[in-house]
Amino acid sequence: DTEVTQTPKHLVMGMTNKKSLKCEQHMGHRAMYWYKQKAKKPPELMFVYSYEKLSINESVPSRFSPECPNSSLLNLHLHALQPEDSALYLCASSPRGGTTDTQYFGPGTRLTVL
Amino acid sequence: SQQGEEDPQALSIQEGENATMNCSYKTSINNLQWYRQNSGRGLVHLILIRSNEREKHSGRLRVTLDTSKKSSSLLITASRAADTASYFCATESRMRFGAGTRLTVKP
Repeated sequence: DTEVTQTPKHLVMGMTNKKSLKCEQHMGHRAMYWYKQKAKKPPELMFVYSYEKLSINESVPSRFSPECPNSSLLNLHLHALQPEDSALYLCASSPRGGTTDTQYFGPGTRLTVL
Repeated sequence: SQQGEEDPQALSIQEGENATMNCSYKTSINNLQWYRQNSGRGLVHLILIRSNEREKHSGRLRVTLDTSKKSSSLLITASRAADTASYFCATESRMRFGAGTRLTVKP
């Protein structure tokens, strides 16, 4: 299984809502990533988990809260988002998080904040 | 920043033609990777080239790396409509992606 799955595919939420994005992989990868991608822009790294520990937080606002319950799962908890947070949120995994790792991406969650 | 920057930003060609995209970066790297993204979808890894390599092939893809010029190029030969996508280069430090090249291959 070389697939990274993300749920939901689409999410519409109000600024006062709390929601979560989910990501799952069963490739035995030990590094997982969250990216944010605006239209016609490259993905921007948000968080990196390595061996289930948060190793990189790219100065992301606290209204985004990542969680890695185990080596196969990665969540992104959303609270009090702003309309400008509307974007495609991509999850990825890689074997070890090393610099030569290939990242495997999920299809993304299209988030709209009203 | 080690972020790659691709050019051109957009490229439109006819099926069967070759497509060349370029990537420049600012600091020393150990490797550089190319990814493809179909519209609104996740990225797919295409190829990785290490700093001690000058050229690498994978099917219809050819990647070159010139570390003296801090640049890389991706050549897609005999393009197909299915190659229509955005192409990004990425350097290894925190996986920073360049702005990307949007390739359109017309049937």
